[in-house]
Amino acid sequence: AQKVTQAQTEISVVEKEDVTLDCVYETRDTTYYLFWYKQPPSGELVFLIRRNSFDEQNEISGRYSWNFQKSTSSFNFTITASQVVDSAVYFCALSSVYSGTYKYIFGTGTRLKVLA
Amino acid sequence: DTGVSQDPRHKITKRGQNVTFRCDPISEHNRLYWYRQTLGQGPEFLTYFQNEAQLEKSRLLSDRFSAERPKGSFSTLEIQRTEQGDSAMYLCASSDTGHNYGYTFGSGTRLTVV
Repeated sequence: AQKVTQAQTEISVVEKEDVTLDCVYETRDTTYYLFWYKQPPSGELVFLIRRNSFDEQNEISGRYSWNFQKSTSSFNFTITASQVVDSAVYFCALSSVYSGTYKYIFGTGTRLKVLA
Repeated sequence: DTGVSQDPRHKITKRGQNVTFRCDPISEHNRLYWYRQTLGQGPEFLTYFQNEAQLEKSRLLSDRFSAERPKGSFSTLEIQRTEQGDSAMYLCASSDTGHNYGYTFGSGTRLTVV
């Protein structure tokens, strides 16, 4: 069975603080994809990053960085120098390549509140 | 290209009524997905189309739910005899065939059954 766990339900930080959102996944597949999406109050899920299971390099995009560790089945997301506009719900998702469907298994999300 | 469009954005209906939602994917995307998201939860997979063929349905999609994608373009999701438990955000997404670069989601249709 596949599962994604985001244990942090809600996090509040003060603007300019760094914050890390945790994601732990379970899968028996050897090939899979991991994603992070942002859901602002408007409701639309916005794609942030995709990582395949063979690429464990960390990635940085501006203030965003991702740490993928297969040994601990984690794919954590860090926002550096957070801003009020970062306030949203963030979802981690897992997708298998074997079904051909590429459907996602989402975690329950972490609500990030950045206070001015 | 204006992304994935969903209509309506909000729908309030009385229990027992039928409702239909529409999704217009990105025009060159062959894959189309429907997900359902309840309050405080992540989206859950409902069904998947490749072109006009519905290739997978979740067991969450009861007999009261039906989805179509005629001619492989827009898609509709119909719920018959709505129940209060159907209240949720219904999200549509599309993607390229053969790639798993990530979906493009629409803004969703929020259904409230009263």
